[in-house]
Order: sequence, then structure tokens, then C-alpha cells
Amino acid sequence: SQQGEEDPQALSIQEGENATMNCSYKTSINNLQWYRQNSGRGLVHLILIRSNEREKHSGRLRVTLDTSKKSSSLLITASRAADTASYFCATVLSGSARQLTFGSGTQLTVLP
Amino acid sequence: EPEVTQTPSHQVTQMGQEVILRCVPISNHLYFYWYRQILGQKVEFLVSFYNNEISEKSEIFDDQFSVERPDGSNFTLKIRSTKLEDSAMYFCASSEGQKIYGYTFGSGTRLTVV
Repeated sequence: SQQGEEDPQALSIQEGENATMNCSYKTSINNLQWYRQNSGRGLVHLILIRSNEREKHSGRLRVTLDTSKKSSSLLITASRAADTASYFCATVLSGSARQLTFGSGTQLTVLP
Repeated sequence: EPEVTQTPSHQVTQMGQEVILRCVPISNHLYFYWYRQILGQKVEFLVSFYNNEISEKSEIFDDQFSVERPDGSNFTLKIRSTKLEDSAMYFCASSEGQKIYGYTFGSGTRLTVV
């Protein structure tokens, strides 16, 4: 597999439930970022976690990073219909200046 | 909240024509980028730009592509002779200085080559 693969590819949940998306990568990273993309729109930065961090929180978002497993997860708690979007992880590789390598994304649908 | 602005939002061009995609990054940002997303595919890095020069570029960014910061506010991507496979959404992004923060992306320009 390639750098930055998310699973599941698609996730459908009811409003109020939690949504968990996972990302795996292949090579050493400097940091990992999560972005949201609404259909046909630009990418919105959600959260950044550095390689020496294990967990970060931002509002209803919780991101974990396990560098030994080369994986990250994004948890959205108490989901809302407005959270419906595609979610991408993106890595900045060690030794790279700032180039982001994106995964293929998880399409999240939150049903009202 | 500061935004990255891209124009036009949609551009249709004939194969072989030159196109220029325009971006206005956030004013105090120092790093600028272009990414593209072919329909149904991943977002791909094209190029990063700092201190008036290219700092990184991908294999996609061949001689047909060039970037420029013609003045203090605009950042442009030029495709000299467009091909059908250049059809994609092109995103401009910018980020702050030495510290690593998330990037701010524009809403994109949808380029359609016919």
C-alpha cells in the first residue's frame, strides 16, 4: 500500500454517534495532519500531530498517533449532520521540507 | 478568518493552450504550494515555493509547469501547453514561517481541458 491510506473508505453513522477513521503510512514522518473536504470544495485543516506526540484534542476531535505501528486515528465525537464530508490524513515525511502526501480519504456521512 | 483566494473557480481551455491559475495566499504566510486532485483520485503535491524560489517539486511538475510570485500578493501556476490529463482541481495553499503548522487551502480552480 502507499503512504497515507485511510480506512474505512466510507462510513455512515447516525447523528450523535462517534466516528472513527484510521490512517496508516509507510515511512517515517515529521508530522501528520487531518483535513476535511466538503464535496467540490477546498481542504480545511483540522489538526496536526507531531511525530513526538501521541494524542491531541481539538473540540470534538481527538487524534492519536502510534509511530511504532505507523498509524493514526481521528475520532469525531457526538457527530452532526454538518460533519458529513471526506476526511484525509496527510503526512509530512522526515527529511521533506513541507510536502504533504495525502491518503485516499474516508467519506463520512452523518445521518440526521 | 484569513483566506487563500483562488481565481478563476472554473476554467475551460482547449488542449495545447496555456493557462494561468491565480492565487492570493494569506498575507503573512511565507510558504506557498500548489496541489491538484484529479477527479476521484488523491490530492497530489505539485510544488512548494519559498523566498521566491521553488523549494520542492514532484515528478508531476515537469517543464510544462511553472510558478511565479509576480508581486507581493499573487502566486500563479502556469501550464504552458495543456493536455487532457491536466484536467483536475488545482488547489493553492500557504503556511506560516519556520514553525510547522497546518496549511490553509484555497477553494480550488477546476480546470477542464477539452
